[in-house]
Amino acid sequence: ETGVTQTPRHLVMGMTNKKSLKCEQHLGHNAMYWYKQSAKKPLELMFVYSLEERVENNSVPSRFSPECPNSSHLFLHLHTLQPEDSALYLCASSSQGVGTEAFFGQGTRLTVV
Amino acid sequence: KQEVTQIPAALSVPEGENLVLNCSFTDSAIYNLQWFRQDPGKGLTSLLLIQSSQREQTSGRLNASLDKSSGRSTLYIAASQPGDSATYLCAVASGGTYKYIFGTGTRLKVLA
Repeated sequence: ETGVTQTPRHLVMGMTNKKSLKCEQHLGHNAMYWYKQSAKKPLELMFVYSLEERVENNSVPSRFSPECPNSSHLFLHLHTLQPEDSALYLCASSSQGVGTEAFFGQGTRLTVV
Repeated sequence: KQEVTQIPAALSVPEGENLVLNCSFTDSAIYNLQWFRQDPGKGLTSLLLIQSSQREQTSGRLNASLDKSSGRSTLYIAASQPGDSATYLCAVASGGTYKYIFGTGTRLKVLA
């Protein structure tokens, strides 16, 4: 257990569905991240929030919509996804500032059918 | 643009062997480098964090070194065990406070 909890662990959704992924951390961190991990590709940084403000958005399609209501919670809202969006979505958190350690959740395995 | 490469992509060794995993990065301007372990279908577990000013870190049977000038880090695993079987990822914090750039990983299998 790393202190970063993601739910659900597995999700199957149709291309017309709307769903949300949830991430929660109680480590006192103030930066939270969404990463996408596809087969045989490096982890791709999607979004970063620092003190509840989005500081990074790596050209992610608008069908992915992040939300950070407070420093402990991070959501990824999904709508009209494509089959190629099937992947493992990982949430991470860290303290603010350089030189800090990142902690990851167990991930949500998303399958779009 | 920072790029991180890990060699080899896969490694299979008998139990008890000492082994070295390699990570290289193209831009030496990093804040830190972190080694992670990932079991199949699971999240990442942090193993070691090396700050840019440090040369190495040790935790149990693991030792990680960092040579910023040559853009390299190695993860040394002593007396490998079947439980060490996993994918090992390195990530550099670079190009901004919140950017962790990952390599594609080394998939390790330790045979009993």
